[in-house]
Formats: sequence, structure tokens, C-alpha cells
Amino acid sequence: EAQVTQNPRYLITVTGKKLTVTCSQNMNHEYMSWYRQDPGLGLRQIYYSMNVEVTDKGDVPEGYKVSRKEKRNFPLILESPSPNQTSLYFCASSLTGGGYSPLHFGNGTRLTVT
Amino acid sequence: AQKITQTQPGMFVQEKEAVTLDCTYDTSDPSYGLFWYKQPSSGEMIFLIYQGSYDQQNATEGRYSLNFQKARKSANLVISASQLGDSAMYFCAMREDQGGSEKLVFGKGTKLTVNP
Repeated sequence: EAQVTQNPRYLITVTGKKLTVTCSQNMNHEYMSWYRQDPGLGLRQIYYSMNVEVTDKGDVPEGYKVSRKEKRNFPLILESPSPNQTSLYFCASSLTGGGYSPLHFGNGTRLTVT
Repeated sequence: AQKITQTQPGMFVQEKEAVTLDCTYDTSDPSYGLFWYKQPSSGEMIFLIYQGSYDQQNATEGRYSLNFQKARKSANLVISASQLGDSAMYFCAMREDQGGSEKLVFGKGTKLTVNP
């Protein structure tokens, strides 16, 4: 089944404890991206990747890192999480980066930082 | 200025009836895509339907259709024969070819409630 898989689905952690949210897609998509969704602020892009070894900042990259060593994987790293990073995170992928390519989302990761 | 505007924070519809969710957009890019996503209370983001700016015909996908009026810059979602499972948040989104990050820009969403 074609899908974007994120793990974990739920995560509760403490301030400063490094964590990684994994994302994998099996559709051979070139483009991958991370979003966060917050009440009143909607969905905002954190980072994106046009292809392997190519990543760039989105609208809210502070406090996050990403890497794209393989086409299928695009992990999101929080080196020192803070409470303001409590949010619902989505990984998404599309065949290409163009306007005609639908983004397919993972099921989301609910992160709580205490 | 907002790129995607959804003016209906909430909508109610009776089961089996049709409902239209409004979406207007703003872009100067001649090449773009318009998308609708459904987000149920469980949180996942489900892709429903897509319309390209050069598409001559309105997109349809099962009970979903997109009423695309390019001159008005509107892309309304029509759900026919509503079902209880259609109750969810619905987001209109746009992706421009010249956006730089090729990101999807979302509207604020419309919460649809289907009544039995």
C-alpha cells in the first residue's frame, strides 16, 4: 500500500531531551516536507527536501533539524525540545515539488514537551 | 494578504444532502494546483481531490467534486449525499509552481458536521 509512515504516533518528553520523529514513504517521491499544526495558527511548513541531500528551511525551522540521506526517509530531529514545540507534526511527500503534485500526509505525531 | 480564504468556520448538513464548502485563493502564478484535505477528529490529513490551474474540466472523485471558477479564483468543494463519516475539518490548499519552497498553503479550515 502506498503510504507515508510516521513514528511514533504519540510522544511525551521533557525539555531538552533530544528526540527524532521518523518518516518514510514507499512511493519513490522526490519531495518531502514537515509541517506542524497548531490551533489558531494552522499548518506551517518546517523544512522541506526536493531530493536526496537537498533540504531547505520552511516558515518555522528554528529548533528543528532534518536530513535526507535516502530518498524514502526524512527524519525530523529536535535537538533540545522546548514546550513551545508541543504540536501535531505531519510528514508529507509528493512525486515532485511542482504545483500539480498532491502532497500525501502521514498520520501525524502528537508531541508534548513538558 | 491571505493566499487561501475559507469563510465558513463551521457548516451543518443533514445526512444524504449535498453541501458546498467555500474556498477562494490569491495567486499571480499562472500554474498552480488546488487541493482539498479532510482531517477527522483522529487527526490524520486525508487528500480528497485536486484541480490544476490549466484543467478545463472540474475535478470529480466519487462523492467529491470541485467547482473551479478560475476568473473568480474560487475552488469550492461539493460533497454529495453526505454521510455521518463526513463530519470533519476540511482544508483548502494551494501549491504554486513558483512558490520557491513548493509548499502547500492551507486555509484555516471549515468544520463540517453531518446531522442524522
